[in-house]
Amino acid sequence: SQQGEEDPQALSIQEGENATMNCSYKTSINNLQWYRQNSGRGLVHLILIRSNEREKHSGRLRVTLDTSKKSSSLLITASRAADTASYFCATHGGGYSTLTFGKGTMLLVSP
Amino acid sequence: DAGITQSPRHKVTETGTPVTLRCHQTENHRYMYWYRQDPGHGLRLIHYSYGVKDTDKGEVSDGYSVSRSKTEDFLLTLESATSSQTSVYFCAISEGEGAFFGQGTRLTVV
Repeated sequence: SQQGEEDPQALSIQEGENATMNCSYKTSINNLQWYRQNSGRGLVHLILIRSNEREKHSGRLRVTLDTSKKSSSLLITASRAADTASYFCATHGGGYSTLTFGKGTMLLVSP
Repeated sequence: DAGITQSPRHKVTETGTPVTLRCHQTENHRYMYWYRQDPGHGLRLIHYSYGVKDTDKGEVSDGYSVSRSKTEDFLLTLESATSSQTSVYFCAISEGEGAFFGQGTRLTVV
């Protein structure tokens, strides 16, 4: 079964607005990762946050992790039309464990 | 893009036939994965490999087998294709943190 569950399933905003997506998971993790998928393409790794980190930034991306609540959020600031894509969280248990993905959030940014 | 290539990119096959999808990497990454992506299900792990000849099952492995005889190649075989295996298949590679994905193979079983 899926480890991560994203919320909301779909999000529609205007250019310039911020977009926030949430991810909840069920078991302990070593790290949590966020990926983007443009329509018809493979997934692209965006950012990784380790279990001992609470917040991480990369450009316009801000990721938080709350291991006590087993949840993470991805914030995209000042959204652009080019940010339109599906976003997935994935959990990794460390060692030989695998990446387990949620079902994704579909983000639409309108000009 | 990372050096990861999936072939074929598109395939239509008949029910009951065997099908092999190939994933080739030039990054010398240790870990390789096969996922399938279906509407409403996200990505689900089929099989993965953590080294040459070292493979293990994922969440949805029934009806699939894999082989990894060289670091660079990871083959996924549908032993006898069924309509429920119509999907988009993604290969991914990793060295433990962050994964790189291929462009996907769209497989249709008729």
